Amino acid sequence: DIQMTQSPASLSASLGETVTIECRASEDIYNGLAWYQQKPGKSPQLLIYNANSLHTGVPSRFSGSGSGTQYSLKINSLQSEDVASYFCQQYYNYPLTFGSGTKLEIK
Amino acid sequence: QVSLKESGPGILQPFQTLSLTCSFSGFSLGTSNMGVGWIRQTSGKGLEYLATIWWDDDKYFNPSLNSRLTVSKDTSNNQACLKITSVDTADTGTYYCTHSSYGGFFAYWGQGTLVTVSS
Repeated sequence: DIQMTQSPASLSASLGETVTIECRASEDIYNGLAWYQQKPGKSPQLLIYNANSLHTGVPSRFSGSGSGTQYSLKINSLQSEDVASYFCQQYYNYPLTFGSGTKLEIK
Repeated sequence: QVSLKESGPGILQPFQTLSLTCSFSGFSLGTSNMGVGWIRQTSGKGLEYLATIWWDDDKYFNPSLNSRLTVSKDTSNNQACLKITSVDTADTGTYYCTHSSYGGFFAYWGQGTLVTVSS
């Protein structure tokens, strides 16, 4: 299985700041990477696919980048509604695997 | 508009079989390249991919649970089912069904159903 190592586990930032979440795959996943946002009590929502493609309806302050084994999610101009947990997922190979998540809070 | 909703027993005892149903709309498992995936979220393992059933009845199971999983579909009623045999407390968590395509990521999720395994 491809292991996805996500960091940091938690993050506290101020409104308007820019935050970055990292995800490292145990092998090259050739941009087969998605990012999800999960708010408390809700199901995960797709933000980014193919490492850097913004899903329909997702605000442009979210962006994804990376290649090979290293990927990142950046949130510009942090808003209060961005408080959530964020997960990466690789789909280059089965079984599909997820990162352990990053919990984002507002300072 | 794609929509999915899971239903299940809520609580069951160790060694029982968990049966979950996913009722969906906005797509058909009779259409090429469509699938329904199952993912769970537990305190022990976080988000864990379980299985997918495809439009042509092809199936993929996570090898870590392979022998315990069964998936099926009812195309005419827009439903898919997941069964997990011999559950234990480690199977406690929220179970989601998702719309799946060969892209491998999940644009649509159900609201999730909480399953508790307890004696």
